[in-house]
Amino acid sequence: AQTVTQSQPEMSVQEAETVTLSCTYDTSENNYYLFWYKQPPSRQMILVIRQEAYKQQNATENRFSVNFQKAAKSFSLKISDSQLGDTAMYFCAFMTPVNYGGATNKLIFGTGTLLAVQP
Amino acid sequence: NAGVTQTPKFRVLKTGQSMTLLCAQDMNHEYMYWYRQDPGMGLRLIHYSVGEGTTAKGEVPDGYNVSRLKKQNFLLGLESAAPSQTSVYFCASSANRGVLSPLHFGNGTRLTVT
Repeated sequence: AQTVTQSQPEMSVQEAETVTLSCTYDTSENNYYLFWYKQPPSRQMILVIRQEAYKQQNATENRFSVNFQKAAKSFSLKISDSQLGDTAMYFCAFMTPVNYGGATNKLIFGTGTLLAVQP
Repeated sequence: NAGVTQTPKFRVLKTGQSMTLLCAQDMNHEYMYWYRQDPGMGLRLIHYSVGEGTTAKGEVPDGYNVSRLKKQNFLLGLESAAPSQTSVYFCASSANRGVLSPLHFGNGTRLTVT
C-alpha cells in the first residue's frame, strides 16, 4: 500500500526566516507524482508545488522549493522568506498515474503539518 | 469565475437523519471527487466520478452514495447519518485524469452528527 508520512504535526517560524517541512512516502512504483498543498484557515486547498518523480531537478515556485530524494523516498518543502500569509496547514500528497480505462489518478494525502509564522 | 462551490458550508444532523451535499463546478471539468478530512487523518477519497453518469468508490465509501446526473454537479448523500461521519467534506474537480491537471477544491462543508 502507498502511504505518505508527515512526522511534524506543528511547526513555527519567524517571519522572513526559512522553514523546511518534511514528508516521506512509501511506494513500489517507479512513476509517480508528489504535491504540496496549502490549507489556510479559510479551508481552501491550494496547490503549492508539484514534482514529477522522473525529473531529477527539484521543483521551485517563487519562495517555495522542494528537496526530492527519490532513493530515500523523501519530499521536503522549503519556504524561504516566510510571510504571515504562509500560516496554514500543509499537506504532502502522492499520486500514481492510472493507465486503465475508467479509473482516475487518486491523491493520497499525509496527515498535515500546521505551520505558524510568527511576526 | 466561481470554480468549485459546495453547499451548505455547515450542517448539524442527528443520528439517523439524511442529507445531501451539493458540489457544483463551472469549469467544464470531467472528473469530480469527494474527500473527507478528519484530524490526524489527512484527506481521504470517498467517491469519485470520471464523467457524467459515472461514479466509483474511493478509499472510504461506506455510508455514502453519490450521483453525477449533470456534468457540473456531483452530489454526496448520507442516507442515515452516524457520529463517525462528523467531518469536513471537500469536493474537487479536474479537467482530466492526467497528473498535470490540477485538482480544484471547494471550501469544504463542516458536518456534525450528534
